[in-house]
Amino acid sequence: RKEVEQDPGPFNVPEGATVAFNCTYSNSASQSFFWYRQDCRKEPKLLMSVYSSGNEDGRFTAQLNRASQYISLLIRDSKLSDSATYLCVVSTGRRALTFGSGTRLQVQP
Amino acid sequence: DAGVIQSPRHEVTEMGQEVTLRCKPISGHDYLFWYRQTMMRGLELLIYFNNNVPIDDSGMPEDRFSAKMPNASFSTLKIQPSEPRDSAVYFCASSLGGPYNEQFFGPGTRLTVL
Repeated sequence: RKEVEQDPGPFNVPEGATVAFNCTYSNSASQSFFWYRQDCRKEPKLLMSVYSSGNEDGRFTAQLNRASQYISLLIRDSKLSDSATYLCVVSTGRRALTFGSGTRLQVQP
Repeated sequence: DAGVIQSPRHEVTEMGQEVTLRCKPISGHDYLFWYRQTMMRGLELLIYFNNNVPIDDSGMPEDRFSAKMPNASFSTLKIQPSEPRDSAVYFCASSLGGPYNEQFFGPGTRLTVL
């Protein structure tokens, strides 16, 4: 089983839609969780950290479910500029952070 | 403020040649990471350093790969000899205060081995 698993997508949604991604992780001892965004042919950049109580940043909401070992990202009122690959990132002990393979989102006009 | 700087941005070489990739982390950051990204395998951690000391190199594919960090502002990743399967985008990233903190990535080096 992979340490971090994501649905690769693509998720094709119209502008204004709400879309959600899930990510599962295998190490129950993981303590740090993030969502990174990667635009085509660019480097990954931090979108937001994920906290135990859940957190929101504008149109983006991240949730953590430790019991089921998954994290989620909800994007409301999708914009064309949200089109990118979203990487789920989890701390995995000595190996620092492990990046998922990413979920591709395409927002259409 | 300058971010992570990588050079070259693109490298095309022939099988068997030596390739050296360079990275300058953000000033003051004490962790430096080297990653490789391919369509098939995603983003893989190769090695990371803390205060110029290698902490985990278990991701280095084989002896053809080596990495050094002679000082806090410079690191190299060397492939010798290079093979076509090494073709990928190589990212360098740095972070401050811990390996689980936000990592800032450089623009990457796109390597093609013919």
